[in-house]
Amino acid sequence: KAGVTQTPRYLIKTRGQQVTLSCSPISGHRSVSWYQQTPGQGLQFLFEYFSETQRNKGNFPGRFSGRQFSNSRSEMNVSTLELGDSALYLCASSGGNQETQYFGPGTRLLVL
Amino acid sequence: GESVGLHLPTLSVQEGDNSIINCAYSNSASDYFIWYKQESGKGPQFIIDIRSNMDKRQGQRVTVLLNKTVKHLSLQIAATQPGDSAVYFCAENMRGSGSGSARQLTFGSGTQLTVLP
Repeated sequence: KAGVTQTPRYLIKTRGQQVTLSCSPISGHRSVSWYQQTPGQGLQFLFEYFSETQRNKGNFPGRFSGRQFSNSRSEMNVSTLELGDSALYLCASSGGNQETQYFGPGTRLLVL
Repeated sequence: GESVGLHLPTLSVQEGDNSIINCAYSNSASDYFIWYKQESGKGPQFIIDIRSNMDKRQGQRVTVLLNKTVKHLSLQIAATQPGDSAVYFCAENMRGSGSGSARQLTFGSGTQLTVLP
């Protein structure tokens, strides 16, 4: 079974721009979570989607948003990028009765 | 908010020795913990998990111990190999404040394990 995939793997943007990242979960998994990883703050939870509904949200500003499609694929969007948004953005999926989250390789975003 | 912490930021061990990575948590209601391994340039990789109704769980070369009394868990890696060099995170898989049964992971800061030849 294929793992979690994320696109693109690397991205360079400038301040003020917006960006959309994509995540395809493991086949059959309906829950998708997003995390931000930075050297200073570590791994932090952004939000979680299940059946196209956001069920849980971390402590991030409204510039960070997401959505999930009927095929469980998910996107996250960051608007009005700031330098501090430079990070590795990780997507994780889980499914069925298992709550274990399996991570993708991440998208490394650099904001200049 | 609740926190999950690690005792040591770095750990160096000789190849073939056993490694022990420790983690403390603060939420006594926590019921599910996961250890992840993250290699450079990659996403966290699931290693092993344990629920609060267990004290010990074993996998292939790895063992996780949970001491609920002192809110501490550890990851033991037997016969450490060069491929084990990575950052190891413990994560608390806790129910979030949102709806339904949504859970979110709260990660510790990580321990960099270096295996020496």
